Amino acid sequence: GIQVEQSPPDLILQEGANSTLRCNFSDSVNNLQWFHQNPWGQLINLFYIPSGTKQNGRLSATTVATERYSLLYISSSQTTDSGVYFCAVDGNQFYFGTGTSLTVIP
Amino acid sequence: DAGVIQSPRHEVTEMGQEVTLRCKPISGHDYLFWYRQTMMRGLELLIYFNNNVPIDDSGMPEDRFSAKMPNASFSTLKIQPSEPRDSAVYFCASSLYLTTEAFFGQGTRLTVV
Repeated sequence: GIQVEQSPPDLILQEGANSTLRCNFSDSVNNLQWFHQNPWGQLINLFYIPSGTKQNGRLSATTVATERYSLLYISSSQTTDSGVYFCAVDGNQFYFGTGTSLTVIP
Repeated sequence: DAGVIQSPRHEVTEMGQEVTLRCKPISGHDYLFWYRQTMMRGLELLIYFNNNVPIDDSGMPEDRFSAKMPNASFSTLKIQPSEPRDSAVYFCASSLYLTTEAFFGQGTRLTVV
């Protein structure tokens, strides 16, 4: 199967700081998605981004499919950004990464 | 729209019993997804439907699991017989298109004892 590696595994930020989360995958994929799970367990699908760049408010994502990685940018972080960020890829099957746990402190 | 609605929110059952989880997608969404989350295995996509038809069930762990979508507003995930290793949070999500972001329900926390 496709290996999906996310880095860093853990990240602690001061409110207002910027961050970049990375997702590497081991093979060609049909699509890539980013998800956020808040500390109460609620899941949000942030981006569907098989290639290129998308932006949604303070969040943006870039996928370079030819180099098999995707980046999630969080600017001016807020405490509500805390939680775990997952990327997932769809090759012949759907694979999730193990996530980056983000804590934003006030 | 009230969003994706899952029921029950919590389920505790004994090993060997049948368990049925339910999901009502957002009205007008053509795609419905079932996910499972455990500490050991993380997040997994079990199956997804397009217009009530199962498209990819490669994530369904074994024959004890089955999913149906009898109409556009309702889906079930059934486990029969249930086993302790099925304990997990099961999420349902729906989206307008496959290439658009999906909206998740609150999840059903299943405990099999």
